[in-house]
Amino acid sequence: AQKVTQVQTEISVVEKEDVTLDCVYETRDTTYYLFWYKQPPSGELVFLIRRNSFDEQNEISGRYSWNFQKSTSSFNFTITASQVVDSAVYFCALSEAGGTYKYIFGTGTRLKVLA
Amino acid sequence: DTAVSQTPKYLVTQMGNDKSIKCEQNLGHDTMYWYKQDSKKFLKIMFSYNNKELIINETVPNRFSPKSPDKAHLNLHINSLELGDSAVYFCASSPGRGTDTQYFGPGTRLTVL
Repeated sequence: AQKVTQVQTEISVVEKEDVTLDCVYETRDTTYYLFWYKQPPSGELVFLIRRNSFDEQNEISGRYSWNFQKSTSSFNFTITASQVVDSAVYFCALSEAGGTYKYIFGTGTRLKVLA
Repeated sequence: DTAVSQTPKYLVTQMGNDKSIKCEQNLGHDTMYWYKQDSKKFLKIMFSYNNKELIINETVPNRFSPKSPDKAHLNLHINSLELGDSAVYFCASSPGRGTDTQYFGPGTRLTVL
């Protein structure tokens, strides 16, 4: 069965600190996709990144970086030099390529960046 | 231009009423979705349409009925509203299958009194 676990319910950091959000997933498919979305206090869901199961190359985009490790079924997200505007709920999601159309979302991690 | 739009943004209504939420996407996508986000922020798929065909129908009370008049629109009609229906409802679209990136609308906050 497919499952996404985000064990960190809430994290508080002081501005300029680095912070890593953890995501662990379960799937029986060999082909699947992983996603991160951000939900700021305004409520919209903003797409951040999509990764497929064959691409374990980690990525850096500005202050954001992602660490995908199939061996541990993890897809972690790091914000470097956090800013107050990074305060949001971050969701990890999984979608299997086996014909389904749905995302399975984790329960989200609320990040609070304090000035 | 707004890619995925929903109306209304806020909906306050009494128990027992019937209401609709509309969704439109101008991205040319083939697939549209409805998600429900509860008070604890948990997001769960409700329905999905691909080219106007229903492809996902999760365990949702049959008081909820989606309708897709064309592939750019997916509306959600709710009959006999109950207190537990209070939530934020998100519409989303993707080019094709669920492994594609889904783009979400701004959400509709439904409050049932």
